[in-house]
Amino acid sequence: GAGVSQTPSNKVTEKGKYVELRCDPISGHTALYWYRQSLGQGPEFLIYFQGTGAADDSGLPNDRFFAVRPEGSVSTLKIQRTERGDSAVYLCASSLGGSSYEQYFGPGTRLTVT
Amino acid sequence: AQKITQTQPGMFVQEKEAVTLDCTYDTSDPSYGLFWYKQPSSGEMIFLIYQGSYDQQNATEGRYSLNFQKARKSANLVISASQLGDSAMYFCAMRENTGGYNKLIFGAGTRLAVHP
Repeated sequence: GAGVSQTPSNKVTEKGKYVELRCDPISGHTALYWYRQSLGQGPEFLIYFQGTGAADDSGLPNDRFFAVRPEGSVSTLKIQRTERGDSAVYLCASSLGGSSYEQYFGPGTRLTVT
Repeated sequence: AQKITQTQPGMFVQEKEAVTLDCTYDTSDPSYGLFWYKQPSSGEMIFLIYQGSYDQQNATEGRYSLNFQKARKSANLVISASQLGDSAMYFCAMRENTGGYNKLIFGAGTRLAVHP
C-alpha cells in the first residue's frame, strides 16, 4: 500500500516568509510525528499527534512553529517568519498507535531559507 | 538526560563481509526501547530492528542483529553478509519514557560504504 507522503519534496523560500509543509500518513495510522534533520545530524523530535490532538509539542523550537491535524489524518507543519536556521529536512512519520514501535517515515521536505 | 552516541562517522566493509556499527546510550529509566534505522540517499528513514530493555534475547531481523549489552549500555547493530545496497547512513535511536508513545532520540549516525 501507499507509504507516508510529504509535499513539497523541496521548498526554497526567502527569510521572513511563511511556509507550510504537508504530511499524508499511512491510512489508518492514528499516531503522527514530525522530526527535523539538520545537515550531518540525526532527526530531532518536534511534535506528536494522537488523532487530531497534539499530545506532545515539546520539540517545537519556538512559537514560529505550529502544526495541525484537523481530521486526524493529514498534518501540516507551519513556519512563520522563516529564518536561515530553519533550513533542514523535515520528516514526518506515522504508526498504528502511539505505542506501536514501528514508525514509518516519509521522504521528507527539504526546506531552504535564503 | 537521555542521549545516544555513535562514535563512527564512517565505516566501510567488503561485500559479503559482516560489519558492526556501534551505539551507546545513556538513560536513567529502567524501561526504554532501542531502534536502528537506515537512511539511503533518497532520504527516507527505514526501520530495521527494535530491542526493548526487558527483552531477554538479542533482537534479530534477517541479516540484522542487535548486540544488546545492557550493563555496558550498548546496542550495536551487526549486518551480516553485506550487500552493495546496504550503503547508507545508519541511525541508532532510543525511545524516551513518555508513557506510551515513541518519541525518539537519534544519534548522529554512521555512514556505511560497502565495497565490491
